[in-house]
Amino acid sequence: DQQVKQNSPSLSVQEGRISILNCDYTNSMFDYFLWYKKYPAEGPTFLISISSIKDKNEDGRFTVFLNKSAKHLSLHIVPSQPGDSAVYFCAATGMYSGGGADGLTFGKGTHLIIQP
Amino acid sequence: KAGVTQTPRYLIKTRGQQVTLSCSPISGHRSVSWYQQTPGQGLQFLFEYFSETQRNKGNFPGRFSGRQFSNSRSEMNVSTLELGDSALYLCASSLGYSGANVLTFGAGSRLTVL
Repeated sequence: DQQVKQNSPSLSVQEGRISILNCDYTNSMFDYFLWYKKYPAEGPTFLISISSIKDKNEDGRFTVFLNKSAKHLSLHIVPSQPGDSAVYFCAATGMYSGGGADGLTFGKGTHLIIQP
Repeated sequence: KAGVTQTPRYLIKTRGQQVTLSCSPISGHRSVSWYQQTPGQGLQFLFEYFSETQRNKGNFPGRFSGRQFSNSRSEMNVSTLELGDSALYLCASSLGYSGANVLTFGAGSRLTVL
């Protein structure tokens, strides 16, 4: 049973436009969410996170929104740049609830392609 | 400061063999976690070690094992390799438990089982 779902395997966006990557989760114990970015032949790198006490967190061009009632989060990238082309993984854990006993639970990733 | 180092980067084995992968965490990080990445399943948690003790383990068979040394370096071992074990194995380190800290990943070890 997949507890973190990224339903779009790939997403193509024009340079300069907004990229919106979506993620849904099912485990109510999850209270801390992270986005990682992965280039080919490299390990994932941390991008941005949000705890369940907030509904928005912003870092430069990256903003993550959390809708707890819908168990949904999204990552917005504005404006999108060619270097943003990568695979983006959504991850979740129960940092405060103690439901993080199994490490981070990752989605399967969304391949973002920024077109010039 | 040096990142997480994984060796070897690439290796090819045949079914039935065993393999050992190594991970050197960031200096000062005491937790090392291992993940398996496959195209169909994404990143799946294997196990986490903290201060030489396995803290938790994912849903993988007993053929997958690991250990952590006193200097926080970690190894994982897969015995009796199967074709389905072909994957990218990622190691990540963090200051404390992985559920409460941001993970820093290595570049991974790409295992191909023939």
